[in-house]
Amino acid sequence: SQTIHQWPATLVQPVGSPLSLECTVEGTSNPNLYWYRQAAGRGLQLLFYSVGIGQISSEVPQNLSASRPQDRQFILSSKKLLLSDSGFYLCAWTPGQGVNTEAFFGQGTRLTVV
Amino acid sequence: AQRVTQPEKLLSVFKGAPVELKCNYSYSGSPELFWYVQYSRQRLQLLLRHISRESIKGFTADLNKGETSFHLKKPFAQEEDSAMYYCALFSGYSTLTFGKGTMLLVSP
Repeated sequence: SQTIHQWPATLVQPVGSPLSLECTVEGTSNPNLYWYRQAAGRGLQLLFYSVGIGQISSEVPQNLSASRPQDRQFILSSKKLLLSDSGFYLCAWTPGQGVNTEAFFGQGTRLTVV
Repeated sequence: AQRVTQPEKLLSVFKGAPVELKCNYSYSGSPELFWYVQYSRQRLQLLLRHISRESIKGFTADLNKGETSFHLKKPFAQEEDSAMYYCALFSGYSTLTFGKGTMLLVSP
C-alpha cells in the first residue's frame, strides 16, 4: 500500500536560519507531488508541484523553494526564513496518471519562525 | 487560471438540520472536482469525487456545469460531521487547487 511520510512534525526556527522539510512517498512510482501551506482563513495554498524528477512548478512567488532529487522525494527549502514563513505545511501526492484520482496527504509540519 | 471559491468560512447548524456547503469553480477545461475533509487531529482526506456520483457518510455533491458549482449536501447533519471541508479542482496540468475551506460545526 502507498504511504506518505513528512517530517519533522513541528519545527521552531529563528529568523534568518535555513529550512529543509522532507516528504517521501512509498508504494508508488512517478507520483505528482505537492507542497501546500494551510493557514486559517486562507485554506490550502498550493506552493509547488512536481510531475517528475527535477521538474518543479511554483504557484506563488515567495521565500521558499522546492526540489525533487528522487522520484518519491520532495523537499521544501529556504535559505533564510522570515517571520511570515510560519505556518502549517502539507505534502501530498497523486498518481501520475489517471483521472479523478485521490490526493493523499502527509501529517503536516508546524513551522514557527521566531 | 483555475480558481475554487468557498464563500462561507463557518457554517453552524443543529443536529438533524440540512447542510449545504457551497463551492464554485472557475476553469476553462473539463473539471475534476472533489470534496476533502479534515477532522480534528486527523489528516486531510478525500470525502467524495464528482465522477463517482457517490454518497459518502450521507453527503452528496452534484456538479452543475451551468452554474460552475459543486455544492456539498447532507439532509440531516450529525455531530460527527463537524470538521473542515475543502472543495478541490484537479486540472489537466496536474495542479490540485483547493478552496479556502468551510468549517462545519454541528451542535447537539
